Amino acid sequence: ETGVTQSPTHLIKTRGQQVTLRCSSQSGHNTVSWYQQALGQGPQFIFQYYREEENGRGNFPPRFSGLQFPNYSSELNVNALELDDSALYLCASSLGTGSRSEKLFFGSGTQLSVL
Amino acid sequence: KNQVEQSPQSLIILEGKNCTLQCNYTVSPFSNLRWYKQDTGRGPVSLTIMTFSENTKSNGRYTATLDADTKQSSLHITASQLSDSASYICVVSGTGGSYIPTFGRGTSLIVHP
Repeated sequence: ETGVTQSPTHLIKTRGQQVTLRCSSQSGHNTVSWYQQALGQGPQFIFQYYREEENGRGNFPPRFSGLQFPNYSSELNVNALELDDSALYLCASSLGTGSRSEKLFFGSGTQLSVL
Repeated sequence: KNQVEQSPQSLIILEGKNCTLQCNYTVSPFSNLRWYKQDTGRGPVSLTIMTFSENTKSNGRYTATLDADTKQSSLHITASQLSDSASYICVVSGTGGSYIPTFGRGTSLIVHP
């Protein structure tokens, strides 16, 4: 157990809908990163939040947005869902931005299916 | 562009045998390299973390090596067990503007009894 919890575990949506995924980081961690993992692929970095501010973003369109709250939990919002958004969405927490060798602790992910 | 390439893509071995997984990267300047184990439908779990000055790191039956000059790493698994069946992912982080980790696609390992 990593202490990182994600909800929901599974979700089914239709094209055009909006979705919100949630992540509770490990106690004491101030950084949360979100990743998209398509079937058979490695995780792709979406963005990172450090102390409630976005601290880096991968190659994802603006319809992928996020928030980090004062307790360092986080949300990932995806608007106007497309079929290709179907994937496992992973959240990872760390103490620090990962620029050194901080260990990333991953949640079990949210499996999103877009029909 | 920062890239991490892993080989083989998949591997099947018998229980008790050893195996070695490879990782080549182009991330520069280099900060650290991590190996993760990911069970199906679960999040990755850290196995090892190595910085520039480290060329080997062990975690039980897992031993990772790093050659920062050739930008290559390997993960050696000794006396494989059925529970080792998983995807093994190599992740490389740089410094400065390259600090965001770059993930490989992973090697899928299946251990048969």
